[in-house]
Amino acid sequence: QSALTQPASVSGSPGQSITISCTGTSSDVGGYKYVSWYQQHPGKAPKLMIYDVSYRPSGVPDRFSGSKSGNTASLTISGLQTEDEADYYCSSYTSSSTLVFGGGTKLTVL
Amino acid sequence: EVQLLESGGGLVQPGGSLRLSCRASGFTFSRYAMNWVRQAPGKGLEWVSGISGSGGSTYYADSVKGRFTISRDNSKNTVFLQVNSLRAEDTAVYYCAKDRYGDPVTFADFWGQGTLVTVSS
Repeated sequence: QSALTQPASVSGSPGQSITISCTGTSSDVGGYKYVSWYQQHPGKAPKLMIYDVSYRPSGVPDRFSGSKSGNTASLTISGLQTEDEADYYCSSYTSSSTLVFGGGTKLTVL
Repeated sequence: EVQLLESGGGLVQPGGSLRLSCRASGFTFSRYAMNWVRQAPGKGLEWVSGISGSGGSTYYADSVKGRFTISRDNSKNTVFLQVNSLRAEDTAVYYCAKDRYGDPVTFADFWGQGTLVTVSS
């Protein structure tokens, strides 16, 4: 159950777009539709931002979008806002009927 | 409104045990799987365990298998995590999280605020 691979940090200016990658294997990201993304602000609980690769829960701005190609999923945030500064985690269902998270990416909005 | 309220965390010595609880409200509890996810201080999220809506299926991360036991009481809308043989590396905030579906665990769509477990002598 190795963690999914995410970049440790990304940054962007307000109004710009950024993309965070999440790389796994055919036994997790590449094999199932249950890829999700979470936003976590300091001291707060995680919040679901994307599920089933590309679907947004009610209330999540359409600036957030998700995609997947092979064993790599991606989260794109367009029109960056200062409140987007947070840690982001991907998660996937695995062939062992477990869940696995990525190591997390710290997004800095410059 | 979905609400998840964890309790039972605290300071425990290495080798000790705790029973974490999570009381749920705002949804039909028995229809959904539940997860426990932990976060060590300054570290990332780690999925720990999950249980199906009926309670008939349980799932564990390799790191806790044999030491942790998940269970649920659907009559009380509560999920539990019995944590035994605790080690320093088990120190973390433990989050209870509702799953999107009933079985198996797939992803967490709502999270509690967490309960802190500190393992130290």
